[in-house]
Amino acid sequence: EIVMTQSPATLSVSPGERATLSCRASQSVSSNLAWYQQKPGQAPRLLIYGASTRATGIPARFSGSGSGTEFTLTISSLQSEDFAVYYCQQYNNWPSLTFGGGTKVEIK
Amino acid sequence: EVQLVQSGAEVKKPGESLKISCKGSGYSFTSYWIGWVRQMPGKGLEWMGIIYPGDSDTRYSPSFQGQVTISADKSISTAYLQWSSLKASDTAMYYCAKQDLAVAPFDYWGQGTLVTVSS
Repeated sequence: EIVMTQSPATLSVSPGERATLSCRASQSVSSNLAWYQQKPGQAPRLLIYGASTRATGIPARFSGSGSGTEFTLTISSLQSEDFAVYYCQQYNNWPSLTFGGGTKVEIK
Repeated sequence: EVQLVQSGAEVKKPGESLKISCKGSGYSFTSYWIGWVRQMPGKGLEWMGIIYPGDSDTRYSPSFQGQVTISADKSISTAYLQWSSLKASDTAMYYCAKQDLAVAPFDYWGQGTLVTVSS
């Protein structure tokens, strides 16, 4: 099973600053990597798929990059509504759809 | 509008059985895989398994194989997750989610069903 490792576990960022989140796969997942945002008490929401394609309605301040085993989610200028937990997920090894452990983005 | 509406919160005792549901609407229910995801209190997301409602083809995560049963009734556009004998460690939020394609992420999610198992 592919193991997804996210870092850091917690990221403290001031509003308006850039946030950079990392996700590493234990073996290549090509570009079959998604990012989700989860706010307290809510279901996860798809942000990015195909490593770099924003899902419908996702603001341009969210961007994804990477391929193979190393991936990055960047939030260019954090807004108050962006403080949440972010998960990466590989779907290259379908039907196995493993998630990373998550990165909590908190207000500094 | 695509919607996945899950059944309400459940409180059960250890050893009891349970079946929770996820009703899809706004799309062709039989044409897209539906998955189940567990989130234990304060923890991350864990993929449990997926089902193709068109023919009930079901795949399980090795971690959940034999622990739960996933099924679907395409006549009422509903997927199910069931347990035959609950344990306290099954206490969690459970989400259903739809895949856009077979090799794809989950593009729509249900609101979640909280299952609490306590004596």
